[in-house]
Amino acid sequence: SQQGEEDPQALSIQEGENATMNCSYKTSINNLQWYRQNSGRGLVHLILIRSNEREKHSGRLRVTLDTSKKSSSLLITASRAADTASYFCATGLDDKIIFGKGTRLHILP
Amino acid sequence: GAGVSQSPSNKVTEKGKDVELRCDPISGHTALYWYRQSLGQGLEFLIYFQGNSAPDKSGLPSDRFSAERTGGSVSTLTIQRTQQEDSAVYLCASSSSRTPGNTEAFFGQGTRLTVV
Repeated sequence: SQQGEEDPQALSIQEGENATMNCSYKTSINNLQWYRQNSGRGLVHLILIRSNEREKHSGRLRVTLDTSKKSSSLLITASRAADTASYFCATGLDDKIIFGKGTRLHILP
Repeated sequence: GAGVSQSPSNKVTEKGKDVELRCDPISGHTALYWYRQSLGQGLEFLIYFQGNSAPDKSGLPSDRFSAERTGGSVSTLTIQRTQQEDSAVYLCASSSSRTPGNTEAFFGQGTRLTVV
């Protein structure tokens, strides 16, 4: 089952621009995480936001969470070529961590 | 070890053969997850181990798939009578949390399985 759904599925932007990805989920959560995947291999944890938090920052990353709308957004500011990757949101549900289908981000030089 | 280790990195097998994929989690991590990722797709949950509790096998796609975790550490995912649709990257992750999603999950680099 898919708990999170990322939007858009794919995004291409110019280097230096900001990239925004959205995630919607279906059930109540304790927290929500964002991960990055390069080249279809292992995922790397980016940031975790708890259900009682509305916004969190980490470097060039900004995550928001709206539990009333069951949605989250990931903003990457001043994008770089190295940000090209797939980005996934994940939530804990029924003793599992469930991932969305991801957003493929491509940073154009 | 310093991270989650998976072996082999790549596996090519003939249709109908059995394969075993290994995951060595971070020492001390009680939670261990297996996921499958087909080309260009998201992560499909397969199975979850937490300490000595019975594993959550709800994501296993068929009875050809099984997994075990010995001594609360190393896990083996076994696929019997492989089919071409089993071709995918199999990812393992471990976490120190007893509540899924409460802390970071650490991923291995995956095993790319190709069934020919």
